[in-house]
Amino acid sequence: QVQLVQSGAEVKKPGASVKVSCKASGYTFTSQYMHWVRQAPGQGLEWMAMINPSNGDTFYAQKFQGRVTMTRDASTRAVYMELSSLRSDDAAVYYCASSITRYRQDYWGQGTLVTVSS
Amino acid sequence: QSALTQPASVSGSPGQSITISCTGTSSDVGGYDFVSWYQQHPGKAPKVLISEVSNRPSGVSSRFSGSKSGNTASLTISGLQAEDEADYYCSSFRSSSTLVVFGGGTKVTVL
Repeated sequence: QVQLVQSGAEVKKPGASVKVSCKASGYTFTSQYMHWVRQAPGQGLEWMAMINPSNGDTFYAQKFQGRVTMTRDASTRAVYMELSSLRSDDAAVYYCASSITRYRQDYWGQGTLVTVSS
Repeated sequence: QSALTQPASVSGSPGQSITISCTGTSSDVGGYDFVSWYQQHPGKAPKVLISEVSNRPSGVSSRFSGSKSGNTASLTISGLQAEDEADYYCSSFRSSSTLVVFGGGTKVTVL
């Protein structure tokens, strides 16, 4: 079965960067797009970015362009999301989610809590 | 870019049917049949309930159904059960600089 396991919680200072990993198993790594979706405390879901693991092509939400970078390592079946210039309003749970399509998220990781505090 | 518009809350009694709306524009909901619905219980990751407007993935209860008319998509939960109390989100492909857009979420309360 598809499993997505994310790295642990992070505490960062404003202005720093955070890199969250997501390790996939249970399917052919290059057959599913990987998305990142975040959820601020008590708030809704917000789509951030997507990568095609087969060729590394990425698509970022306009809001995050210039601050977010998605990469993948097919040898370890891992996808990474790095968010730079962190602000207090970047504090959220960050989810990776995979799908065979570019516009849907079928399988979700457990979430990674990122705290931004001075 | 603004999110899709959902009611903040919807409630119903056990056994009743409720409908959650999701309103967008012709650049997202109205222009493509790429609307999905997700259920999220507190502290848990979202779970996909409906894809491509009305398709139910394997394992999802037939009590959940989706539809679309114009720029508004809808999720109907029939035979409401206590376990259906959760937050529900719609999402859509959007033909702009954001590939995917979510609704603001709807809290469903079972009375």
